[in-house]
Amino acid sequence: QVQLEESGPGLVKPSQTLSLTCNVSGGSISSGGYYWSWIRQPAGKGLEWIGRIFASGSTNYNPSLKSRVTMSLDTSKNRFSLELNSVTAADTAVYWCARGASRAAIYFFDYWGQGIQVTVSS
Amino acid sequence: DIQMTQSPSSLSASVGDRVTITCRASQSLSSYLNWYQQKPGEAPKLLMFGIDTLGSGVPSRFTGRGSGTDYTLIISSLQPEDSATYYCQQTYLTPLTFGGGTKVEIK
Repeated sequence: QVQLEESGPGLVKPSQTLSLTCNVSGGSISSGGYYWSWIRQPAGKGLEWIGRIFASGSTNYNPSLKSRVTMSLDTSKNRFSLELNSVTAADTAVYWCARGASRAAIYFFDYWGQGIQVTVSS
Repeated sequence: DIQMTQSPSSLSASVGDRVTITCRASQSLSSYLNWYQQKPGEAPKLLMFGIDTLGSGVPSRFTGRGSGTDYTLIISSLQPEDSATYYCQQTYLTPLTFGGGTKVEIK
């Protein structure tokens, strides 16, 4: 059973960098056929895809955040990370990490972390 | 970006009712349409992928239909545990995008 768990500070000051890590157990992030994503959800609102990273290290980011986002893999610790710089109050949200899997070339998120609330405030 | 528009944004129905949620994309998605169920305080759970394939452990009262730009999630007989918010999602193009959600409440 694959499990994902987000970790990181719950409070970040405006203009600083939000850094989160997703620890993966029950499966290797180096396995082909999967990608690893970050998704966020402001309170009472919908889901916003932030980006994804493949086992190769290649990435795709949401253009709305692209200039501020960096994702990386740490295969030695079987985890992946998100950095979002120059944060503002608009970045306050629950952040989820999730695994993208596929069947018959259709991709979907099959495993999610429990989510972590990140608040941007001074 | 592909815009995903869900309707209604909320609904209230009785146990046993048939419930229909629609999702319209701003362009054709081929088969790259998924549905998720989210309960308060929980992560979204995969309901359906590729329009009509049930996720693991999802009851058969959930059905997905559609093609092109128009898709539908049907709950054939609403159960109390179906009270949740439902989201459609396209994976045809990046950025991956979700619909705004449909909140289903039990009368």
